[in-house]
Amino acid sequence: GEDVEQSLFLSVREGDSSVINCTYTDSSSTYLYWYKQEPGAGLQLLTYIFSNMDMKQDQRLTVLLNKKDKHLSLRIADTQTGDSAIYFCAESSTGGYNKLIFGAGTRLAVHP
Amino acid sequence: DVKVTQSSRYLVKRTGEKVFLECVQDMDHENMFWYRQDPGLGLRLIYFSYDVKMKEKGDIPEGYSVSREKKERFSLILESASTNQTSMYLCASSGQGVPDTQYFGPGTRLTVL
Repeated sequence: GEDVEQSLFLSVREGDSSVINCTYTDSSSTYLYWYKQEPGAGLQLLTYIFSNMDMKQDQRLTVLLNKKDKHLSLRIADTQTGDSAIYFCAESSTGGYNKLIFGAGTRLAVHP
Repeated sequence: DVKVTQSSRYLVKRTGEKVFLECVQDMDHENMFWYRQDPGLGLRLIYFSYDVKMKEKGDIPEGYSVSREKKERFSLILESASTNQTSMYLCASSGQGVPDTQYFGPGTRLTVL
């Protein structure tokens, strides 16, 4: 079945780069997404990548997609304390209706 | 901007009570979703709706029901709340376009005593 896996925690120093990794199982997923959840809030879309792309860059964010290994990563350059949040990876479900399959989320802690 | 609102940010109920969680979106989206979020488990889909009066079970529908009488409103109902339904509940909506981005409400943290 469809499954998305992520590590649960990541701790980085302010100013360093953060890399959050994700693996997925459904090779037919059209889009893959990264969402961010700040404390006490809902999820907000950070970025997405179409499955026929290898890389997408958006300011401090870089998404890398390795379709062969079904591996997705999110790199945050110059990580700031405001980047502390939970980051969710998600893939499009083959079940239609715009359903998404979410990973468990990676809690990013940024320390001085 | 898409706006998804949920009726309460925090809710405390007693075991056995009937609980209603309301969600409203203002973007004329066809699809609406209810998830619960628990630490280490991520988001699990409870129910979704792809049109007025239409609903489909998600991965964990037991103990829940839903109602969608109007396009903008999707309600989650706990018929008889139990302590294992203490959780964060998130509502989302999406259109039929591509990519199939879901937009989320702020969440309702429900505690069942």
